[in-house]
Amino acid sequence: DAGVIQSPRHEVTEMGQEVTLRCKPISGHNSLFWYRQTMMRGLELLIYFNNNVPIDDSGMPEDRFSAKMPNASFSTLKIQPSEPRDSAVYFCASSRGGVRAMAPLHFGNGTRLTVT
Amino acid sequence: GESVGLHLPTLSVQEGDNSIINCAYSNSASDYFIWYKQESGKGPQFIIDIRSNMDKRQGQRVTVLLNKTVKHLSLQIAATQPGDSAVYFCAEWGGGNKLTFGTGTQLKVEL
Repeated sequence: DAGVIQSPRHEVTEMGQEVTLRCKPISGHNSLFWYRQTMMRGLELLIYFNNNVPIDDSGMPEDRFSAKMPNASFSTLKIQPSEPRDSAVYFCASSRGGVRAMAPLHFGNGTRLTVT
Repeated sequence: GESVGLHLPTLSVQEGDNSIINCAYSNSASDYFIWYKQESGKGPQFIIDIRSNMDKRQGQRVTVLLNKTVKHLSLQIAATQPGDSAVYFCAEWGGGNKLTFGTGTQLKVEL
């Protein structure tokens, strides 16, 4: 059974460039989460989708960040333009049920983003 | 200048000993808790969860204890092995849409 699949695993880009991170959730999971992990702030929730609909994007840092989920098996997180302070590991996670389902999140192995 | 990262508490144990990792949570309304293990270069991996109507739950070599009175959660690992070396996070679901993670504890298993 494949877990959450993220691509690319590593991304190095220059400041000002557009970056797109991709995620394929576990089949049958209807909730999808994007997290960011840094040494300074730990794991932070950026945005949460339920049944492909964005439910809570209050964690998205600013308008440079956007996320989409066009179907149940694919999501993207885009940063445009990227800045050095965006350097972090970005994780996608999925789970069964909605917010109150009390189901564990299953994480991908992340995309390590470096913006120079 | 260089940013200062979070200082992770570290627990060092001998192989074969039992490990206890502690976590204090903040929201008295939290009703679901999860322990995750994160190895270098990987995403957090689900270990065990517990709902607030329980105070203990056991898995394979792991036990989670929940004390709602003092808002404390612990993860016990029996017969710790080198493969258990990782950062361990507790996470609480206190309503809304957020699973809030703690800062983590680094477990080091010494041979």
